[in-house]
Amino acid sequence: QKEVEQNSGPLSVPEGAIASLNCTYSDRGSQSFFWYRQYSGKSPELIMFIYSNGDKEDGRFTAQLNKASQYVSLLIRDSQPSDSATYLCAPNNAGNMLTFGGGTRLMVKP
Amino acid sequence: DVKVTQSSRYLVKRTGEKVFLECVQDMDHENMFWYRQDPGLGLRLIYFSYDVKMKEKGDIPEGYSVSREKKERFSLILESASTNQTSMYLCASSLRDRGAAFFGQGTRLTVV
Repeated sequence: QKEVEQNSGPLSVPEGAIASLNCTYSDRGSQSFFWYRQYSGKSPELIMFIYSNGDKEDGRFTAQLNKASQYVSLLIRDSQPSDSATYLCAPNNAGNMLTFGGGTRLMVKP
Repeated sequence: DVKVTQSSRYLVKRTGEKVFLECVQDMDHENMFWYRQDPGLGLRLIYFSYDVKMKEKGDIPEGYSVSREKKERFSLILESASTNQTSMYLCASSLRDRGAAFFGQGTRLTVV
């Protein structure tokens, strides 16, 4: 079993809708998580960091962490075509070795 | 501004050649990483270094080695390049206790 699992998608949502991206993880020791966004042909860039149970909001983005159920999610409100990208989840593991889920490709249609 | 620089954007090498991919960061980060990214396989960790001369194997170290002689520089070495090493290679760095990583622009390596 992979350490971090993500649905590869593509997840297709209409412009203005809420996009919901999910990530499950197997290591109960994972305490915090990163969400990265990667546009086609570009490098990943950090968009969110969450370290405690519950929600963390930053503009149109909300990260949610549920340690009991071992999942972390990213909600994008008022989705825009410019949000079309692959979203990568990564646990911040002990020793700082950073491994990623396979990513979910999001397509926002005008 | 945070900066991670990879020496080449595109590289074409022949099978059997020894290949060096260089990465330099200017943020005084302790951690540095090498990943490869392939369609359908996501971002896979090859090697990780947490200090000068220190390294740990990632998920797919076979066929690769690394060198970190200075804090700011982390090199990935393909001892004898093979066609299955054709891929996008990404370098990243982060602070020791705050693992958010910053990525270089990537090197697209083609082995023919």
